[in-house]
Amino acid sequence: QQPVQSPQAVILREGEDAVINCSSSKALYSVHWYRQKHGEAPVFLMILLKGGEQKGHEKISASFNEKKQQSSLYLTASQLSYSGTYFCGTSRKDSGGSNYKLTFGKGTLLTVNP
Amino acid sequence: DADVTQTPRNRITKTGKRIMLECSQTKGHDRMYWYRQDPGLGLRLIYYSFDVKDINKGEISDGYSVSRQAQAKFSLSLESAIPNQTALYFCATSDPSAASGEQYFGPGTRLTVT
Repeated sequence: QQPVQSPQAVILREGEDAVINCSSSKALYSVHWYRQKHGEAPVFLMILLKGGEQKGHEKISASFNEKKQQSSLYLTASQLSYSGTYFCGTSRKDSGGSNYKLTFGKGTLLTVNP
Repeated sequence: DADVTQTPRNRITKTGKRIMLECSQTKGHDRMYWYRQDPGLGLRLIYYSFDVKDINKGEISDGYSVSRQAQAKFSLSLESAIPNQTALYFCATSDPSAASGEQYFGPGTRLTVT
């Protein structure tokens, strides 16, 4: 069952902030975030393994609420280069507690305009 | 040179034809994956392989088969292509010893079945 991402799309002006959410109906082992630019392959951003974990990558950070089975990706002071589709990928605890078999959400299209 | 390569990059074929998509990697990873991407549906796992002798079905394996010829090569076959299999196909690899579980994607193969 795919995790649900919201919003489906967001348009920002350069310098604005955005939050992308990912939620699952199943208990999660890990949450992975990827970004795919138009016409390119998805690229790994980060993984969150533990409930309460937060990580950062440049001005992009994420959190993982294990109890709520949710993760959020935070993009601050967005840059033009942040444009693309963001996917969360989740691995479930009932899949053996490993982080290799991922189920991806449908993606959130982020557009950053000058 | 790219670490994960896919051939062909584009392919148009007719309904009922057998077609093979090939993936090669120079990263030395044991794990390899095949995904398909459809607009608005995200990435869906077709098959994955832990090594040459270990191949597993993903969430949408019907109508597809795979072959792991060597650690570096993982092929996806459509035995009798149908228009519904028109999609963008990605191969990916990961290192089982890496805690991040990061998957490295190839550039993709755009397949059109007429």
